[in-house]
Amino acid sequence: DTAVSQTPKYLVTQMGNDKSIKCEQNLGHDTMYWYKQDSKKFLKIMFSYNNKELIINETVPNRFSPKSPDKAHLNLHINSLELGDSAVYFCASSQLAGGFVWFFGPGTRLTVL
Amino acid sequence: RKEVEQDPGPFNVPEGATVAFNCTYSNSASQSFFWYRQDCRKEPKLLMSVYSSGNEDGRFTAQLNRASQYISLLIRDSKLSDSATYLCVVMNLKAAGNKLTFGGGTRVLVKP
Repeated sequence: DTAVSQTPKYLVTQMGNDKSIKCEQNLGHDTMYWYKQDSKKFLKIMFSYNNKELIINETVPNRFSPKSPDKAHLNLHINSLELGDSAVYFCASSQLAGGFVWFFGPGTRLTVL
Repeated sequence: RKEVEQDPGPFNVPEGATVAFNCTYSNSASQSFFWYRQDCRKEPKLLMSVYSSGNEDGRFTAQLNRASQYISLLIRDSKLSDSATYLCVVMNLKAAGNKLTFGGGTRVLVKP
């Protein structure tokens, strides 16, 4: 069974469109994250939710809006897509269990044309 | 200055050789340290945690130097399957959300 799943895996879209990426974890973790990995391969945190509550909101354009309907899901909606939004977006979840454990989803490769 | 810095490489390593590389971090409040491995077009996966006294996991040895604020990873008897990007990761337990801060990765290419 996949621990952290994301859909879609690939997303190609035109500038100005609005798109969503979905993430689900079946690990029972309390905390979920969105990370962005750009072309230079740096992974940067964007958002974090703990039990549906937003706890990390890094400097991200407000075109990006996370939504957590329950603690197993964290979706990312992006309005008015720009070329610079092209990247791989990774969802992750974590739990403190004898030390912190993180699991990452397989990533969503977003290409904005 | 980036919070976590790594030599991007690539480190070209003959199969069977030993390779080592470091990572420096700037936030002295960082308390937990990890090495993650990322294969091309895949998600990062935990390779090992790094403990204060240093630790070993098979062919992999991790060290932490708090005074100089760096961690290191050494790979012995390199295998072709060790080819990957190795991400240095730090965490500040006092920061909200227990976020992981990643370095840019060190690319390792093991060749026959």
